Amino acid sequence: KQEVTQIPAALSVPEGENLVLNCSFTDSAIYNLQWFRQDPGKGLTSLLLIQSSQREQTSGRLNASLDKSSGRSTLYIAASQPGDSATYLCAVGFGGAQKLVFGQGTRLTINP
Amino acid sequence: GAVVSQHPSWVICKSGTSVKIECRSLDFQATTMFWYRQFPKQSLMLMATSNEGSKATYEQGVEKDKFLINHASLTLSTLTVTSAHPEDSSFYICSAIKPGSPYEQYFGPGTRLTVT
Repeated sequence: KQEVTQIPAALSVPEGENLVLNCSFTDSAIYNLQWFRQDPGKGLTSLLLIQSSQREQTSGRLNASLDKSSGRSTLYIAASQPGDSATYLCAVGFGGAQKLVFGQGTRLTINP
Repeated sequence: GAVVSQHPSWVICKSGTSVKIECRSLDFQATTMFWYRQFPKQSLMLMATSNEGSKATYEQGVEKDKFLINHASLTLSTLTVTSAHPEDSSFYICSAIKPGSPYEQYFGPGTRLTVT
């Protein structure tokens, strides 16, 4: 059974700092890994999608890496801003049924 | 683009009644859609996989007679919560797979259900 864990559960940092969110998964037979952002009471915004053959993806101030062999992914946020405050979810796609398994999320607060 | 909509965005119903939630892919045809449930401060849990023209596949522990899923067309899947109870109050989110990108799911904005 695939399990996805995100550490830390919550993180509060001052504006301008660079930060790293962690995601680990138990079964390395994945076909992709996706990072999402969720604002309170809202749906999901897809941030980055990494295919299983890729090592990293970048979009603006965001960089996500994937190490399948160790079952880990990191989301790096550079020069954090108060608008980055949200819950960040990691999800892995696996199995022939194209299912996504989500982690519990990291609740990020960027303090002005 | 790949836009998925849900309707309604929020709904309040009385205990014992049924409520239907729609999930539409607006600019593509989706043979496969998924339904998730999210309780407060928790992550998303997959409820079922909806395939156009066939019966939905439910995850373990999800009552198929309570959560009726109908994927009648390539752009519409519906989730009906039957005989709703307060414990069914949750945030329901659907997603759809776009042809050509078989392993990327596009998510709807979610529906907040409150059962009183």
